[in-house]
Amino acid sequence: RKEVEQDPGPFNVPEGATVAFNCTYSNSASQSFFWYRQDCRKEPKLLMSVYSSGNEDGRFTAQLNRASQYISLLIRDSKLSDSATYLCVVLRNQGGKLIFGQGTELSVKP
Amino acid sequence: GAGVSQSPRYKVAKRGQDVALRCDPISGHVSLFWYQQALGQGPEFLTYFQNEAQLDKSGLPSDRFFAERPEGSVSTLKIQRTQQEDSAVYLCASSLVPGQGDGYTFGSGTRLTVV
Repeated sequence: RKEVEQDPGPFNVPEGATVAFNCTYSNSASQSFFWYRQDCRKEPKLLMSVYSSGNEDGRFTAQLNRASQYISLLIRDSKLSDSATYLCVVLRNQGGKLIFGQGTELSVKP
Repeated sequence: GAGVSQSPRYKVAKRGQDVALRCDPISGHVSLFWYQQALGQGPEFLTYFQNEAQLDKSGLPSDRFFAERPEGSVSTLKIQRTQQEDSAVYLCASSLVPGQGDGYTFGSGTRLTVV
């Protein structure tokens, strides 16, 4: 079983839809959590950090449930430009290495 | 430089050939990571340097893989006797502060194809 698990998708949604991605992690000692975005044939880039209280950045909302070891990302009013792979990421404090999930592919259609 | 630079961008190797992949991190960044990303998968950790010290090499898949960062800046990932299963994108990331998860910058990667 992978340390960070995501539904690989793909998620095919129309423009304007709301879409939610879920992620679970198995290492309860994980301290920090992130969502990264990766466009086709590009490097991963930080989308947002995830805090226990939940946090929002424009159309994007991230939630963390430490008790359930569960992380989510909600995208509202999706745009064509949101089409990408979304990677759930946890930070292992020993050495600070990032552990990535498999990624969830999102395709937003006109 | 302004970002993390990796070279070559693409590499085609014949099975059994040795390859060397280069990573030039952001100037002054202490931490440097190598990841391997197979098609359709997320990046998998390979190894980690803090300055010139290799603190974690637990992700290197076999003793054919070797990484170094002799002067604490540029790093090289070497793969000996390449196999087809080594075909992947190799990503390098650096960060100024060890353990600062939102401060990592990734390079564009080297796409290795072993034929």
